[in-house]
Amino acid sequence: RKEVEQDPGPFNVPEGATVAFNCTYSNSASQSFFWYRQDCRKEPKLLMSVYSSGNEDGRFTAQLNRASQYISLLIRDSKLSDSATYLCVVNIKGYSTLTFGKGTMLLVSP
Amino acid sequence: EAQVTQNPRYLITVTGKKLTVTCSQNMNHEYMSWYRQDPGLGLRQIYYSMNVEVTDKGDVPEGYKVSRKEKRNFPLILESPSPNQTSLYFCASATSKEGTDTQYFGPGTRLTVL
Repeated sequence: RKEVEQDPGPFNVPEGATVAFNCTYSNSASQSFFWYRQDCRKEPKLLMSVYSSGNEDGRFTAQLNRASQYISLLIRDSKLSDSATYLCVVNIKGYSTLTFGKGTMLLVSP
Repeated sequence: EAQVTQNPRYLITVTGKKLTVTCSQNMNHEYMSWYRQDPGLGLRQIYYSMNVEVTDKGDVPEGYKVSRKEKRNFPLILESPSPNQTSLYFCASATSKEGTDTQYFGPGTRLTVL
């Protein structure tokens, strides 16, 4: 199985809020993990890779929990420009493809 | 500028009229892929290619063909389009040959089949 599950949202938050998304994956052979961002009707773009030890890029923090098979994305101090759909993406060992979740929509309001 | 380009960006056609969506990348990537995106279904892979003359089926290949005669180009061919192929299509290329690392997407082609 290659499923990647995400809460579709939308998550409605005010500017400055902290928001977190989780994503679960079903295949224990998953070996690479990413978060992509997609603006409405635009192409997905890599936001960040997710490393086993967790990693941070400015206001964004990604975590991986292999035991429970989920990854998370934390966004601090939300900006209006963070409004987008966030896609959880997984590569399963042995597959030359990426498996995309259906995305979580974030709406940041003034 | 490193990019993936697709043409056309928008297309309205009729059932059964063959069409080709072109995709080109200037990053010298070996891996290229086609996806379709539909509401509630997310991104689904149609075909991918790990090198010239090497193509493989993705999750939803029915009704589509591809070719990889040159490294930079990966056209998507619909021999006899049907209304269920109305969708938003993305081409992508990847830094790793297996496509398991960062994928760079084209701007998308919105196809409507009447």
